[in-house]
Amino acid sequence: EAQVTQNPRYLITVTGKKLTVTCSQNMNHEYMSWYRQDPGLGLRQIYYSMNVEVTDKGDVPEGYKVSRKEKRNFPLILESPSPNQTSLYFCASSLRSGGAPSQYFGPGTRLTVL
Amino acid sequence: AQTVTQSQPEMSVQEAETVTLSCTYDTSENNYYLFWYKQPPSRQMILVIRQEAYKQQNATENRFSVNFQKAAKSFSLKISDSQLGDTAMYFCAFMKSRSGGSNYKLTFGKGTLLTVNP
Repeated sequence: EAQVTQNPRYLITVTGKKLTVTCSQNMNHEYMSWYRQDPGLGLRQIYYSMNVEVTDKGDVPEGYKVSRKEKRNFPLILESPSPNQTSLYFCASSLRSGGAPSQYFGPGTRLTVL
Repeated sequence: AQTVTQSQPEMSVQEAETVTLSCTYDTSENNYYLFWYKQPPSRQMILVIRQEAYKQQNATENRFSVNFQKAAKSFSLKISDSQLGDTAMYFCAFMKSRSGGSNYKLTFGKGTLLTVNP
């Protein structure tokens, strides 16, 4: 089954404790991206990756890091989480083809930083 | 920069009736794509329908259709024969047209919470 998976689905942590949210897709997609969703703000892009070893900032990259060492994986790293990073996080992936390939979203990760 | 505006934070409709969700956008691009995503209580983001700006014909997917007015920069979603399972947050989204390598970023509106009542 074609899918994007995220782990963990729920996480409660404390300020300053480094964490990683994993994202994996099994569709051989080149493009992957991270969004955060906050009430009243919709979804905003954090980082994206056009292919292995190619990453770039989105609209709200502060406080986050990413890496793309393998095509299928695109982890989101919070080196020193703060309460303002409490949010719902989505990973998305798509092929790099055409004008606007359809994007597949993961199930979301609910992060709470105390 | 593109902006997407959904002016209806919440709406409700009776089961089996028709409802229209509004979306306007601002862009200087001529080639772009528009989407409606559904987010039910499970929080999964589900693509409902997409529209290519270069196509004059409005997209339709079963009970879902859009009214795309390019000059007015308007992209509304009509849900016919509403069902209880349509209860969800609906997001309108915009993407620039790209070929080759570039960011396929989706710019989202703030969402409209639709409740379908029995």
